[in-house]
Amino acid sequence: EADIYQTPRYLVIGTGKKITLECSQTMGHDKMYWYQQDPGMELHLIHYSYGVNSTEKGDLSSESTVSRIRTEHFPLTLESARPSHTSQYLCASSGAWMNTGELFFGEGSRLTVL
Amino acid sequence: GQNIDQPTEMTATEGAIVQINCTYQTSGFNGLFWYQQHAGEAPTFLSYNVLDGLEEKGRFSSFLSRSKGYSYLLLKELQMKDSASYLCAVRDNKNSWGKLQFGAGTQVVVTP
Repeated sequence: EADIYQTPRYLVIGTGKKITLECSQTMGHDKMYWYQQDPGMELHLIHYSYGVNSTEKGDLSSESTVSRIRTEHFPLTLESARPSHTSQYLCASSGAWMNTGELFFGEGSRLTVL
Repeated sequence: GQNIDQPTEMTATEGAIVQINCTYQTSGFNGLFWYQQHAGEAPTFLSYNVLDGLEEKGRFSSFLSRSKGYSYLLLKELQMKDSASYLCAVRDNKNSWGKLQFGAGTQVVVTP
């Protein structure tokens, strides 16, 4: 059973607000990821981290930022939310010692910006 | 990068078999994954192929042909709970471990 948690699950906010989506995992995984998914569409990688103090932008450009100060924690921040940021954000992690490198996903944070 | 193609939707009856095809183009290949995603939920890992051939796990099997850039996921003895989106994802060897490129998913609808 994967142990990766995201909060909030659902968030409705107004334009211009700053928001932080939290993601924590208790599996000791070194690698963590943020994917963005619109309904019926593919997942797009927006950020990833290979360890503490390591963050990189993914394939899809995003105005969000991330930090990795602790192994288990990988929050995503939007400084000024806009309606175009409305989407589902999925956090995932994987461990270097795993043969397949499969991803374990959190349940997602569904963001609506009015 | 990769271009990943899979059908948008498939419908089958309970107890039947459904085969979901996935084709991909990649500059380098280092593994193909299948995930299941129920509406509003997180994707969950189903299978992994890195060598050619068939991998079987209970009612689910996945096949890979690297030379053809082709995989399929076979779902046998379909149950109503199998109604979900099935995502094909590829890892290429340019990317570091774990970065996956996902297809848009195939929505499987199981009817009574």
